[in-house]
Amino acid sequence: DADVTQTPRNRITKTGKRIMLECSQTKGHDRMYWYRQDPGLGLRLIYYSFDVKDINKGEISDGYSVSRQAQAKFSLSLESAIPNQTALYFCATSDSTGTHSYNEQFFGPGTRLTVL
Amino acid sequence: SQKIEQNSEALNIQEGKTATLTCNYTNYSPAYLQWYRQDPGRGPVFLLLIRENEKEKRKERLKVTFDTTLKQSLFHITASQPADSATYLCALPGGGADGLTFGKGTHLIIQP
Repeated sequence: DADVTQTPRNRITKTGKRIMLECSQTKGHDRMYWYRQDPGLGLRLIYYSFDVKDINKGEISDGYSVSRQAQAKFSLSLESAIPNQTALYFCATSDSTGTHSYNEQFFGPGTRLTVL
Repeated sequence: SQKIEQNSEALNIQEGKTATLTCNYTNYSPAYLQWYRQDPGRGPVFLLLIRENEKEKRKERLKVTFDTTLKQSLFHITASQPADSATYLCALPGGGADGLTFGKGTHLIIQP
């Protein structure tokens, strides 16, 4: 089984709809991240969480919100989707507790979101 | 502002040769640098990390160098194979405390 899973894997929605993307991990890592990837722009950080009670904005948080329901679960919401949020979304985890941890990140398979 | 540059053009290498990818950065003094591999439609996969006090790191056919004076890392794949074809991303600390900022990646194509 995959260590980091994302649901759904593909989603097509309409402008103005509320969308939730979910991420679960079995790695036991404390840190979780949401990125989006667009052609020519690379990976950009949306939000990150260092533990259940810690949520931080990344580079491009406007239009998004997150919830860390448990150490293993981190969801991303688009309250009112717009076409320029069409992108590939990745969840990632990392472990800050290891002796030699340098924030190596482990990514999920991605969610391809299309907003019409 | 902090900036990471990777060659945006695809790199075509003949099978068996050494592929060398470049990551340049400005306005950073990173404690480490990481390299990831990404296949189409899939999430990046961590490959190697090199610390600021390390000049070179090896893992099987992979070698990474880190020159903090030139602000550059080189990523080498020796005896390249078509299965090495992918996009390779470099990443530096940034984008939030203990977050990472990624370069846009270089697409490597190994031709049989």
